[in-house]
Amino acid sequence: DTAVSQTPKYLVTQMGNDKSIKCEQNLGHDTMYWYKQDSKKFLKIMFSYNNKELIINETVPNRFSPKSPDKAHLNLHINSLELGDSAVYFCASSQKWNTEAFFGQGTRLTVV
Amino acid sequence: DAKTTQPPSMDCAEGRAANLPCNHSTISGNEYVYWYRQIHSQGPQYIIHGLKNNETNEMASLIITEDRKSSTLILPHATLRDTAVYYCIVRVRPNTGNQFYFGTGTSLTVIP
Repeated sequence: DTAVSQTPKYLVTQMGNDKSIKCEQNLGHDTMYWYKQDSKKFLKIMFSYNNKELIINETVPNRFSPKSPDKAHLNLHINSLELGDSAVYFCASSQKWNTEAFFGQGTRLTVV
Repeated sequence: DAKTTQPPSMDCAEGRAANLPCNHSTISGNEYVYWYRQIHSQGPQYIIHGLKNNETNEMASLIITEDRKSSTLILPHATLRDTAVYYCIVRVRPNTGNQFYFGTGTSLTVIP
């Protein structure tokens, strides 16, 4: 069983559209994260959730909004997509803030 | 704004030890050092972490200097499958508002 799973794996969409990326973890972890990896391979934290509470909100556009229906899920909603949003988005989870994080396989988003 | 500095690339002969250095000269007392790696197109994979003592697990060893300003990840017997980008990360409590810093990493190539 996959520990952290993301869907879809690939997403191609037009500018201005609204899209969502889903993430689920079956590890019983308390904290989940979203990271963005751009074309230069820089991996940056976007959000983290601990027990359904947002505890880090990096300086990302408010077009990006994380939604956590329960502890096992942290979905990423993106409104009014822009070309610069094209990147690979990784979901991750950890038991606590200071334990290792397990990453999903990523969602490659391409905005055309 | 990475708080770690790593060489951009390194080569290692298969079967030999790979020693990957990391400088984190501004590290503070409550910050952990984590190592992750990312094999091409996959999600980052946790390797090891430590606070001030040296650590060893089935994958690698982590040597942290006494002043904690630098560390070295050691892969004792590198294999071709260890070819990846290795990230040294300094991590703090999320609710302090500080970031999780993924630097540019070291691209390790294991040579047959």
